Amino acid sequence: DAGVIQSPRHEVTEMGQEVTLRCKPISGHNSLFWYRQTMMRGLELLIYFNNNVPIDDSGMPEDRFSAKMPNASFSTLKIQPSEPRDSAVYFCASSYQGQGTDTQYFGPGTRLTVL
Amino acid sequence: EDQVTQSPEALRLQEGESSSLNCSYTVSGLRGLFWYRQDPGKGPEFLFTLYSAGEEKEKERLKATLTKKESFLHITAPKPEDSATYLCAVQASSQGGSEKLVFGKGTKLTVNP
Repeated sequence: DAGVIQSPRHEVTEMGQEVTLRCKPISGHNSLFWYRQTMMRGLELLIYFNNNVPIDDSGMPEDRFSAKMPNASFSTLKIQPSEPRDSAVYFCASSYQGQGTDTQYFGPGTRLTVL
Repeated sequence: EDQVTQSPEALRLQEGESSSLNCSYTVSGLRGLFWYRQDPGKGPEFLFTLYSAGEEKEKERLKATLTKKESFLHITAPKPEDSATYLCAVQASSQGGSEKLVFGKGTKLTVNP
């Protein structure tokens, strides 16, 4: 079975540009999570969806960040405009909530560098 | 606020030298405690979930245990391929079924041959 798929794997952009990160969750999973990982702050939850509906976006740093999940097999995280402090590794994870276990499975991540 | 503290930040072992990693947590009702392994340049890989104090789980050279305030990841006779960063995370039961995980900053383990 394919795991969580993320694209691109690496993104280098200049300050002020729009960045879109993409995620395909594991088929059959009904929850999707976006995380950001930095050396200073570790792994932080940005937002998560259940059945395509945003449930908790309290970790989204500011209005420059937005996330969508138009269907069960696709989600995007957009940063507009990007800033150097957004440089980090962004992970997408998915889980199935409802079987008594809701283990989150992570994708390989997107390494974002904003110059 | 839910918090997770892992210690030590880094640990160097010789092959075969057993040790333990610590994860201390404060949470308003524990729903689950998760251990992940992360290799450089990769996403976290699930290892274990523990749900209640006294529970233990094992996988190869790893054993995870849980008390009301902390969890330990015991590594018995480690091998170089066990080198990775080990992450601990908690899920609280107090948020109406929220699946939110709060992660510690991890312990970077290096096992020398």
